Amino acid sequence: GAGVSQSPSNKVTEKGKDVELRCDPISGHTALYWYRQSLGQGLEFLIYFQGNSAPDKSGLPSDRFSAERTGGSVSTLTIQRTQQEDSAVYLCASSLGPEWADTQYFGPGTRLTVL
Amino acid sequence: AQSVSQHNHHVILSEAASLELGCNYSYGGTVNLFWYVQYPGQHLQLLLKYFSGDPLVKGIKGFEAEFIKSKFSFNLRKPSVQWSDTAEYFCAVNAVGTGRRALTFGSGTRLQVQP
Repeated sequence: GAGVSQSPSNKVTEKGKDVELRCDPISGHTALYWYRQSLGQGLEFLIYFQGNSAPDKSGLPSDRFSAERTGGSVSTLTIQRTQQEDSAVYLCASSLGPEWADTQYFGPGTRLTVL
Repeated sequence: AQSVSQHNHHVILSEAASLELGCNYSYGGTVNLFWYVQYPGQHLQLLLKYFSGDPLVKGIKGFEAEFIKSKFSFNLRKPSVQWSDTAEYFCAVNAVGTGRRALTFGSGTRLQVQP
């Protein structure tokens, strides 16, 4: 079946602009995660959704970052007033449910470049 | 908070050589352990995972990993690497019973296999 999809695949923006990144999880997966992968920082957790609720937002680096999930499916990560340090690959993952044993499946990522 | 260390940042091997990539984590409780692989230009894929039971786990493409609880380690091994194994390898952990469902990743090991 279809995997996790993300759009756009690449986004170049100017410092100070807002951006929206989209994630479509695997159909039927109730858990959704956002991570980012940047040079020198590895993979960092941002936010976790179970259904439409976000019980863990502890990884969001500042209040410029927000995310929502609607219909228990699509999620959007919004970065307001982008800064150069926001440049990274933003990864979305989904899993069947919230169980510890559930495997997370990753999408291809959105490469964000802030000029 | 849990952390994951991958001590080998860049490994260069010749084809048919044996591989062992180190992974250590810091959490005293029950853990789930994962190895993910990212081939050039592709997204993260699950290589293998450990939840419980036999500490020697076999994954795809001839990879295996051994969970040694007393050493807090989950090293990845392959007896004979191929050029197609060139990729970046990430070890990840989640700490069962904590409030955190997200994975904590190591910084990754870049494997280069020379023909």
